[in-house]
Amino acid sequence: GENVEQHPSTLSVQEGDSAVIKCTYSDSASNYFPWYKQELGKRPQLIIDIRSNVGEKKDQRIAVTLNKTAKHFSLHITETQPEDSAVYFCAASINPTGGFKTIFGAGTRLFVKA
Amino acid sequence: AAGVIQSPRHLIKEKRETATLKCYPIPRHDTVYWYQQGPGQDPQFLISFYEKMQSDKGSIPDRFSAQQFSDYHSELNMSSLELGDSALYFCASSSSEAGGPSNEQFFGPGTRLTVL
Repeated sequence: GENVEQHPSTLSVQEGDSAVIKCTYSDSASNYFPWYKQELGKRPQLIIDIRSNVGEKKDQRIAVTLNKTAKHFSLHITETQPEDSAVYFCAASINPTGGFKTIFGAGTRLFVKA
Repeated sequence: AAGVIQSPRHLIKEKRETATLKCYPIPRHDTVYWYQQGPGQDPQFLISFYEKMQSDKGSIPDRFSAQQFSDYHSELNMSSLELGDSALYFCASSSSEAGGPSNEQFFGPGTRLTVL
């Protein structure tokens, strides 16, 4: 089955610096890669996603890159702010017959120090 | 905009009891997913339903069952509860309309289940 690995598990950066989180996936049929931000005790919130026909996508301070050949994708956050502190999950999604199967990475706890 | 609704938000049960969690997807969403998230863990996929039929199954124990009803709401039934079932249970929904598949999942606020 699909397996998603995420690194690092913890990341601490100074406010204003960039943060990069990397994920790899095993199932080459995966075609959708969302990133979720989860604050303590709250629901995962989608922050950006990328589909397999695109190599890069950017939304203000957040960007995601996808390398289908290597089966890895990365989240880049620039000009980090204290409110970016949270747990970030990558995920890989495939579409079996009806519905979609999404497997999450283990998460990265990001600390942004003021 | 309407979001995914889950009830109850908090639930406390004793070991060996049963629990039923409910999920109301975003209107016109036809797919529902259930996840279990333990403390400090990533969401573990349990089961999903597409157009009221089970579409995929993950790490759902045999003690658990789920279904999606004609109004697209879903219920997760948990029997013979164990201490290890204590977790946050998220429901998410997505839509496959609008010209093609849409994988984007919108999560509900979760139900925190505590088994004593």
